[in-house]
Amino acid sequence: QVQLEESGPGLVKPAGTLSLICTVSGGSISSSYWWGWVRQPPGTGLEWVGQISHSGTANDNPSLKSRVMMSVDKSMNQFFLNLASVTAADTAVYYCVTSLYGRFEDWGQGTPVIVSS
Amino acid sequence: EIVMTQSPDSLSVSPGEGATLSCKSSQYIGSNLAWYQQKPGQAPRLLMYGVSTRAPGVPGRFSGSGSGTEFTLTISSLQSEDFALYYCQQYNDWPRTFGQGIKVEI
Repeated sequence: QVQLEESGPGLVKPAGTLSLICTVSGGSISSSYWWGWVRQPPGTGLEWVGQISHSGTANDNPSLKSRVMMSVDKSMNQFFLNLASVTAADTAVYYCVTSLYGRFEDWGQGTPVIVSS
Repeated sequence: EIVMTQSPDSLSVSPGEGATLSCKSSQYIGSNLAWYQQKPGQAPRLLMYGVSTRAPGVPGRFSGSGSGTEFTLTISSLQSEDFALYYCQQYNDWPRTFGQGIKVEI
């Protein structure tokens, strides 16, 4: 079981880019996990954002209309989410997760992001 | 995309009673189904995967069943710590999708 910790700005302006970092501890980002993001808008359910392997293969949710970019820094044991052209609809708690065979095994504590001017 | 539909939206149960939570997928997903528990202010926690395999540390009062498109999470003899939101998730296809959640409350 790995530990995950999200970090990043809690406030992003509309049309800007949401950028989050997830720091992995207790395990190597070069392991067999995929490294992903799940978000939860206020008072609602869970939405898968996307995930990336340590080698850089990525999948993201088509509902986000190609605004998602993810990357991995093996030297820092971190992975990253960039979500471009944000609107109020992107306001949510963002969780970083480990994905093993499709299930989400480990979760960070979540970081709230508000999109507002 | 595969739509996951959970029912009921909420369930009122007394401690010590059992609860049955339903999850249906809009397409065949085989056994590629997981369940998560989320308490207020906390991240979700993996409870079950592969329909019926409990994640490490999950008590035996939780059990999962079903296949194909219809699935059930059963909690026998609810404890106070079991009152929470429960989500199902399919991982048979992209994008990964969750149900809307079931609130289990007293």
